[in-house]
Amino acid sequence: KAGVTQTPRYLIKTRGQQVTLSCSPISGHRSVSWYQQTPGQGLQFLFEYFSETQRNKGNFPGRFSGRQFSNSRSEMNVSTLELGDSALYLCASNPGTGFYEQYFGPGTRLTVT
Amino acid sequence: AQSVAQPEDQVNVAEGNPLTVKCTYSVSGNPYLFWYVQYPNRGLQFLLKYITGDNLVKGSYGFEAEFNKSQTSFHLKKPSALVSDSALYFCAVRDMGNNNDMRFGAGTRLTVKP
Repeated sequence: KAGVTQTPRYLIKTRGQQVTLSCSPISGHRSVSWYQQTPGQGLQFLFEYFSETQRNKGNFPGRFSGRQFSNSRSEMNVSTLELGDSALYLCASNPGTGFYEQYFGPGTRLTVT
Repeated sequence: AQSVAQPEDQVNVAEGNPLTVKCTYSVSGNPYLFWYVQYPNRGLQFLLKYITGDNLVKGSYGFEAEFNKSQTSFHLKKPSALVSDSALYFCAVRDMGNNNDMRFGAGTRLTVKP
């Protein structure tokens, strides 16, 4: 099976702009989670989607949003970008139940200037 | 709320020596515990997990971890370290009694010297 794919891999945006990141999970996986990784804060949970519904949400401002499509593909959107949003954004998928491990994509490196 | 702590930012060991990367957790329900490894410019790779059963869990690349309920710990171990084990290691917990989302520790950078 193909792994989790994320596009684009690298992105440079200007403060105030918005950005959309895409994630395609492993075939058959219904749960998609998003994480923000920064050197200072480590891995921070953003949200999890399961069958097109947001199942869990981390402690991020409303500028961070996401959605999941019927084919389980997911997008994450960040509006009004700030310098502090520069990070590696990781997507992970699993079949949908808690005892499964997450399978991570390679990430999207977002730089905000 | 669930949390996971990795008390050491950095662990250095010599090749061939045993290694331990520490992890402690706090959950309100039964914990599902995981270890992941991250190599430079890569996503996280799954190493092993504890769900239930035997407290000693064996995983990929010769790693193992021991679940200790009384000490709320889940330390990662390997009997003989390799230079290629040098990477960033993350412990994670999913609290099945609360929210179910997976929370990660801050990570421990393991350096194995020849």
